[in-house]
Amino acid sequence: EAQVTQNPRYLITVTGKKLTVTCSQNMNHEYMSWYRQDPGLGLRQIYYSMNVEVTDKGDVPEGYKVSRKEKRNFPLILESPSPNQTSLYFCASSPSALRLNEQFFGPGTRLTVL
Amino acid sequence: DQQVKQNSPSLSVQEGRISILNCDYTNSMFDYFLWYKKYPAEGPTFLISISSIKDKNEDGRFTVFLNKSAKHLSLHIVPSQPGDSAVYFCAASGTSYGKLTFGQGTILTVHP
Repeated sequence: EAQVTQNPRYLITVTGKKLTVTCSQNMNHEYMSWYRQDPGLGLRQIYYSMNVEVTDKGDVPEGYKVSRKEKRNFPLILESPSPNQTSLYFCASSPSALRLNEQFFGPGTRLTVL
Repeated sequence: DQQVKQNSPSLSVQEGRISILNCDYTNSMFDYFLWYKKYPAEGPTFLISISSIKDKNEDGRFTVFLNKSAKHLSLHIVPSQPGDSAVYFCAASGTSYGKLTFGQGTILTVHP
C-alpha cells in the first residue's frame, strides 16, 4: 500500500529538549516536504526536498532542520523546541516537484511543547 | 505577509446547492494553483488544480476558475453533498519549483 508514515503521531515535550519527527514514503518519490497547520494560519511549508541531499527552505523554516540522506526518509529535527512550535505537522511526498498535484500527505503528528 | 488568502473562514450550504470557495493571491509569479481537501484527523488530499495558462478546469462536480488580472481563484462544487464537508485549502506555486504557499483554509459544511 502506497503511504507516507510519520512517527510519532502524538508527542508532548518540554522546551529545549531536542526531538525528531520521522517521515518515510514507500513510493520512490523524489520530492518530499514538511508543513505545519495552525488555526487561522492554514498550512505553511517548513522545508522541502527535491531529491536526495537537496533541501530548501519553505515559508517558515526558523527553528527547524531537515536532512535527506535517503530517498525514502525526510526527518524533521527540532534542536531546541519552543512553545510556538506547538502545532500539527504533516509530511508529504510526490513523484517530483513538477507534480505537486500528486502530492500524498501523511496522517500528521501533533506536537505540544510545554 | 500572507501571499495566499482565503478570506472566508467558513461556509455553510444546503445539500444539492452550489458551494463557492474563494482564494486571492498577491504574488504575480504564482503560475500553478491547487485545491486540497482535509477531513479531521487526516492529511490533506489533492482535489483539483489549474495552470495560469487556463482560466477554467473541471473535474466532475468540481470546477476551478482563475482570474489572473484579479489574482483570484474560486472552487465551485455542484451539487454539494454532505460528504463534501471538510476544510478546503488553496495553494500556489511559482518559479521556485517545490515551494508551495497555502491559504488559511475554509471550513465547508453541507447540510442534508
